[in-house]
Amino acid sequence: AQSVTQLDSQVPVFEEAPVELRCNYSSSVSVYLFWYVQYPNQGLQLLLKYLSGSTLVESINGFEAEFNKSQTSFHLRKPSVHISDTAEYFCAVSETRQGGKLIFGQGTELSVKP
Amino acid sequence: SQTIHQWPATLVQPVGSPLSLECTVEGTSNPNLYWYRQAAGRGLQLLFYSVGIGQISSEVPQNLSASRPQDRQFILSSKKLLLSDSGFYLCAWKRQGSIETQYFGPGTRLLVL
Repeated sequence: AQSVTQLDSQVPVFEEAPVELRCNYSSSVSVYLFWYVQYPNQGLQLLLKYLSGSTLVESINGFEAEFNKSQTSFHLRKPSVHISDTAEYFCAVSETRQGGKLIFGQGTELSVKP
Repeated sequence: SQTIHQWPATLVQPVGSPLSLECTVEGTSNPNLYWYRQAAGRGLQLLFYSVGIGQISSEVPQNLSASRPQDRQFILSSKKLLLSDSGFYLCAWKRQGSIETQYFGPGTRLLVL
C-alpha cells in the first residue's frame, strides 16, 4: 500500500519569496506522482505530474517538482510566489498499473502575504 | 472537451435526514468515477469508485452509499445523516484503463446540524 506525507500543514510566505512544499511517499511498487491545487471553495486542479522520463516537471504558472526516487520525495517549488498562489496544495501518488487509485497527502496550505 | 458537474454546490441538512448528491460527466464515455470527502485538516479520503454502471467499490465502512444508474452519473446517498458526515464532497473521473490523472468537479459543501 502507498502513503503520502506532506510535512507542512501551513506555509506562510511573503510575495516574491521562494517556496518549497514538501512531499514524501512510501510504496513497494512503482508510482506516478501528482500535485493538485485547490483554490478556496473550489475543486482540485492538476498542477503537474510525473509519469516517466525527466525527473523535473514544470507547470505553466512557474511551479516545478522533482522526483527523487532514492529519497522517495516529490517536493514542489516556486522561485517567486504571487498572492494568487494562495491555495491548498495536495501531493498524490498512484500505482503505475492501470486502475491504480490516487492516494492523497493531508495538504499544505500556502498563504502568500504582501 | 470533457466537463464534470456536481450539485448542489452547498447543502445544509439536519441530523437524521437523507442525502443525495449528484455528479455527472459530459464529453466522455465509460469513465472511472470517484467520490472523495475532504474534512477540515484531513486531506482527501476516497469513499467510493466505479468502473462501470452498477459497479461500486467501497473504500471505507461508513454511513454513506453510492450508485451509478447511468454511464456518466454517480450518486452519493445516505438514509440518515450524522454530524460527522459534514465536509466537502468531491467527485472525479478518469478515462477507463488510462494512467492519466483524475479530473475533479467543483465539489459540494455539506453541513449537517
